[in-house]
Amino acid sequence: KNEVEQSPQNLTAQEGEFITINCSYSVGISALHWLQQHPGGGIVSLFMLSSGKKKHGRLIATINIQEKHSSLHITASHPRDSAVYICAVFKVNFGNEKLTFGTGTRLTIIP
Amino acid sequence: DGGITQSPKYLFRKEGQNVTLSCEQNLNHDAMYWYRQDPGQGLRLIYYSQIVNDFQKGDIAEGYSVSREKKESFPLTVTSAQKNPTAFYLCASVGGRMNTEAFFGQGTRLTVV
Repeated sequence: KNEVEQSPQNLTAQEGEFITINCSYSVGISALHWLQQHPGGGIVSLFMLSSGKKKHGRLIATINIQEKHSSLHITASHPRDSAVYICAVFKVNFGNEKLTFGTGTRLTIIP
Repeated sequence: DGGITQSPKYLFRKEGQNVTLSCEQNLNHDAMYWYRQDPGQGLRLIYYSQIVNDFQKGDIAEGYSVSREKKESFPLTVTSAQKNPTAFYLCASVGGRMNTEAFFGQGTRLTVV
């Protein structure tokens, strides 16, 4: 079982729909990143969370440390939001923290 | 502006040749990482370095080598011993407060023919 699980693996939606992508993890973490990977392959960090909620434009990320769960929401989705969204966690490891990635959610927004 | 630079973006090599991928950062981060991504799969850790002149193997280190002679640079060599080297390679650096700030390169797509 992967230490970081994402759902769904693939998501197709109509433009304008509200999107939710989920991430569950089974290890102690110091922080969680939501990343966006476009077809060219480059990765951008959208959010870094250690507690609570963050908002940037149409994107909202939440984390529940007790439940070991995080969600990424996209409001008023647009075709340009089509990408792979990846959850990554910093595992607590006594000063030797490493980034561990989920397998990603491929989002396709249809005009 | 601070950032992390990988080069080249696309690389073609003949089977049996070693090839070195470049990763440079000017963020003053101590930790740097190399990951491999295969189609439809998640990112897997090849090697990482927490400090200059020190590095550790990740989950899939066989057939790869690295060096960390300078804080800014963490080159990855894909050797001829790597049985299936065609893949997307991603470099990352980590630092900042609590060592949880992560930046990623644009990646190098290596094709071995």
